[in-house]
Amino acid sequence: TQLLEQSPQFLSIQEGENLTVYCNSSSVFSSLQWYRQEPGEGPVLLVTVVTGGEVKKLKRLTFQFGDARKDSSLHITAAQPGDTGLYLCAGAGGTSYGKLTFGQGTILTVHP
Amino acid sequence: SQTIHQWPATLVQPVGSPLSLECTVEGTSNPNLYWYRQAAGRGLQLLFYSVGIGQISSEVPQNLSASRPQDRQFILSSKKLLLSDSGFYLCAWTGAYSYGYTFGSGTRLTVV
Repeated sequence: TQLLEQSPQFLSIQEGENLTVYCNSSSVFSSLQWYRQEPGEGPVLLVTVVTGGEVKKLKRLTFQFGDARKDSSLHITAAQPGDTGLYLCAGAGGTSYGKLTFGQGTILTVHP
Repeated sequence: SQTIHQWPATLVQPVGSPLSLECTVEGTSNPNLYWYRQAAGRGLQLLFYSVGIGQISSEVPQNLSASRPQDRQFILSSKKLLLSDSGFYLCAWTGAYSYGYTFGSGTRLTVV
């Protein structure tokens, strides 16, 4: 069974601070995705990384896939209250059907 | 464009009553379809997935079942709900060769 450990579970910061969320596993994933979810809504895909060592940037968000494709990180620069939400990482194990294994999520609160 | 519809948004059901949650996808054909359950705004647990009409795979033994009577319709059911079935249920779809999930807006089920 593939597991993804996400840390920290909770993050409460002030507007303008930087933060990093980590997603780690002992398993190799063919791809890794990051989602953001707001209360009462479904998760929304932010990015997919597929190559070991890959770095993708989405405005103030930087996503990195580990060289061994077992871990990933999400870094937010100058966080804003609008970044508040649940961040989920999810890994695809290389099998068909697109099944994903999700981490437990990081609840981020950015205070104005 | 592709859209996914999930209903109802909220449901309160007594223990022992039946359940039927419906999910439909528009604007695509032969999607992979998934039912996930999310507890307390945390990680997602895969319940069922389907790669075609009438094809259902169960990931977790439980009190629930799923059916796919049409290509773009996915139904989650139970004959008799348990208190432990309470949670946030999410339907999602992905293309056969794409990475990212598109989620529905979810159903908040409370069994009383």
